[in-house]
Amino acid sequence: QVQLVQSGAEVKKPGASVKVSCKASGYTFTSCSMHWVRQAPGQRLEWMGWINAGNGKTKYPQKFQGRVTITRDTSATTTYMELSSLRSEDTAVYYCTRDMVAPFDYWGQGTLVTVSS
Amino acid sequence: QSVVTQPPSASGTPGQRVTISCSGSSSDIGSNYVYWYQHLPGTAPKLLIHSNNQRPSGVPDRFSGSKSGTSASLAIRGLRSEDEADYYCATWDDSLDGWVFGGGTKLAVL
Repeated sequence: QVQLVQSGAEVKKPGASVKVSCKASGYTFTSCSMHWVRQAPGQRLEWMGWINAGNGKTKYPQKFQGRVTITRDTSATTTYMELSSLRSEDTAVYYCTRDMVAPFDYWGQGTLVTVSS
Repeated sequence: QSVVTQPPSASGTPGQRVTISCSGSSSDIGSNYVYWYQHLPGTAPKLLIHSNNQRPSGVPDRFSGSKSGTSASLAIRGLRSEDEADYYCATWDDSLDGWVFGGGTKLAVL
């Protein structure tokens, strides 16, 4: 069955970067795209961008352009999301979520990133 | 700036039918599909409805979706205690050139 397993919780200082991984299994990794979505405490879900796992093309919303980088390793069937210049407002649960049958059709378990001095 | 709006809360008793609305504009819901997700705290969100009204395999037919103009709705009939969760709508926004989510609706089964 489809599984998306994310890396563990992170605590970072303001100004640092964080890289979260998402290991996929149970389907053909290169046949779809992977999105990253986050949810800060008390806030709505927020789309951070996606990567076409087949050709590596990415798309980011204007809000995150220049600060987020999504990559993939096809041999490891893993997608990565790196967010730089962290600030307290980036404290959130970060999810990877697949786009194949439909956008966001399967989700990872979430990774809590805490930004605190 | 797109704002897709949902009521913050909804409630019903077991067996009842409840609906959750999702309101947008011509650049988002008005011109794109709507998707619905169920999120129980501490778990991964789950796709309930795609392409306005299509249920993925495994989703009970108690859940249904509809869309009219710039609004969409999720209906849950035969409410059960396990339906108590947060529900989110999502759609593409042409003006933002990106995905947007509603603010979420917390459903209580009384």
